[in-house]
Amino acid sequence: EDKVVQSPLSLVVHEGDTVTLNCSYEVTNFRSLLWYKQEKKAPTFLFMLTSSGIEKKSGRLSSILDKKELFSILNITATQTGDSAIYLCAEGTSGSRLTFGEGTQLTVNP
Amino acid sequence: GAGVSQSPRYKVAKRGQDVALRCDPISGHVSLFWYQQALGQGPEFLTYFQNEAQLDKSGLPSDRFFAERPEGSVSTLKIQRTQQEDSAVYLCASSLVGLSTEAFFGQGTRLTVV
Repeated sequence: EDKVVQSPLSLVVHEGDTVTLNCSYEVTNFRSLLWYKQEKKAPTFLFMLTSSGIEKKSGRLSSILDKKELFSILNITATQTGDSAIYLCAEGTSGSRLTFGEGTQLTVNP
Repeated sequence: GAGVSQSPRYKVAKRGQDVALRCDPISGHVSLFWYQQALGQGPEFLTYFQNEAQLDKSGLPSDRFFAERPEGSVSTLKIQRTQQEDSAVYLCASSLVGLSTEAFFGQGTRLTVV
């Protein structure tokens, strides 16, 4: 059974800090690794990673995938209170489904 | 529409009551997905449609759960004889080309069974 594990489950930081969120996975037919930000209820897409070692970057957020060690990290630099959210990692395998991890609850205090 | 629209946003049901949750996907999107998200957990896959065809319903937790998309656009998730463990946020997502990796999520329906 495919499995995605995220750590830490929760994290509290101060504005300006840099954070690293972790995601490890076990899959039988890996296709892609995705990161979502969930505020309120709707997850919003951040990154999709398919190749090892290639960093994806968007503003203060970046992510990288290691297909040999089966993990990905999401980095957020110079955090802001607006970054407070649940960050979800998901893997997309064969077929149509995404398998999500439990998420990391990030709280950024002013 | 501009995004995926779900209704109602909140639903309180008495145990044993039937409920129907609606999803209006982005216009022209072929694929539609339903996920269930319990408190403190990540979303879990329920079912997938490509146009009106339900191609995967392996995530539906019991035969009390039923989903349809009769005209290949709006979808309805129906839960019969609701139970307390059905309390969750039900998320709908749609995508243009049938890949879940390009899916856009709606705001979800929070179902509370009392």
